[in-house]
Amino acid sequence: GESVGLHLPTLSVQEGDNSIINCAYSNSASDYFIWYKQESGKGPQFIIDIRSNMDKRQGQRVTVLLNKTVKHLSLQIAATQPGDSAVYFCAENNYGQNFVFGPGTRLSVLP
Amino acid sequence: EAQVTQNPRYLITVTGKKLTVTCSQNMNHEYMSWYRQDPGLGLRQIYYSMNVEVTDKGDVPEGYKVSRKEKRNFPLILESPSPNQTSLYFCASSLRQGSHEAFFGQGTRLTVV
Repeated sequence: GESVGLHLPTLSVQEGDNSIINCAYSNSASDYFIWYKQESGKGPQFIIDIRSNMDKRQGQRVTVLLNKTVKHLSLQIAATQPGDSAVYFCAENNYGQNFVFGPGTRLSVLP
Repeated sequence: EAQVTQNPRYLITVTGKKLTVTCSQNMNHEYMSWYRQDPGLGLRQIYYSMNVEVTDKGDVPEGYKVSRKEKRNFPLILESPSPNQTSLYFCASSLRQGSHEAFFGQGTRLTVV
């Protein structure tokens, strides 16, 4: 069949700058939100999660913010490095049911 | 090393020729699932299994079969592959359904001509 190019949202940042990757979710009943990172040629890898009763959660160089009013999730990466170049997926989970993944955002880190 | 192993990594086949993609995990996880990843569509779940001998359809199960005879293995079977099943496939496992950290395999790129 005909191949279709990737239509991912893209974000390009300079090395050392902070990155903010955004995600809109659909199910207001979801109780957990998760971020995954997928490097080229690899499977997705868990980064961080946040429960729906929280607004913010911090990990190592990453912070996830949750705005339930507008059903928006963001992933902030501090001091972005070349190794952060990847596709980032948000996913929502509804009380133990299966994950629903977003389409992903491609992050490119410029030297 | 804790991991999910898929085989093969790459496969080109012809329409109608049955194939199996294997998946094995060494973490004693109860929950395993298969996803396909297509440009612009993200990851869509094909089938999942909550434990041995328990499988269920995901969002896009048509044209696929799975089995879970052992806890560690969860093969994906395409009885009669068609070109619209050309995709990148991922197997994943987690401790149980709803666990937030899923472990993914390296992926299998399938082309059906």
